[in-house]
Amino acid sequence: DARVTQTPRHKVTEMGQEVTMRCQPILGHNTVFWYRQTMMQGLELLAYFRNRAPLDDSGMPKDRFSAEMPDATLATLKIQPSEPRDSAVYFCASGSARRPSDTQYFGPGTRLTVL
Amino acid sequence: GQNIDQPTEMTATEGAIVQINCTYQTSGFNGLFWYQQHAGEAPTFLSYNVLDGLEEKGRFSSFLSRSKGYSYLLLKELQMKDSASYLCAVTDDKIIFGKGTRLHILP
Repeated sequence: DARVTQTPRHKVTEMGQEVTMRCQPILGHNTVFWYRQTMMQGLELLAYFRNRAPLDDSGMPKDRFSAEMPDATLATLKIQPSEPRDSAVYFCASGSARRPSDTQYFGPGTRLTVL
Repeated sequence: GQNIDQPTEMTATEGAIVQINCTYQTSGFNGLFWYQQHAGEAPTFLSYNVLDGLEEKGRFSSFLSRSKGYSYLLLKELQMKDSASYLCAVTDDKIIFGKGTRLHILP
């Protein structure tokens, strides 16, 4: 049963600290997405990669957020320094992107709380 | 600009039918998705429409009118487990999600 995995599932940190979230996409998927979900804003696309290359990170605050795919099995999202307004659930999703109808499969999310 | 609108909340009764509407204005269109998200969980895929008309899948159906920028998700024979948020999402060169509709099912 292939699924997207994310670590950690929960993270509580203090303002100013670095946060790193990791995602393992489904084997064979070539597209990876990072989303942030809050009650106020809903689900927002932060960045996405195809074949490990960043295609769009326009939804991401550039000064503190960075997203990378060091290899096909790992995607990372870093926040440095973190701020209380970054508190949200961060989802990673992967897909095959062969056709527009190919859906994304979401990981369980990382619930981040910045104090 | 890009915009997707859905009602914030809806309430329906177990065994009944409910229709969740979604309107969108986007610069391009490559299809529309509906996702279901239970509280504290990740979104899961329900349906995909790219052509006008109705797509039926068991108790769930999804309709699309591209000329009107409109879609709906129809849930029949509602069950308590259908209590969740339903997210409408439109793909252009990337995917844009609506804020979701929280559906409450009453016994």
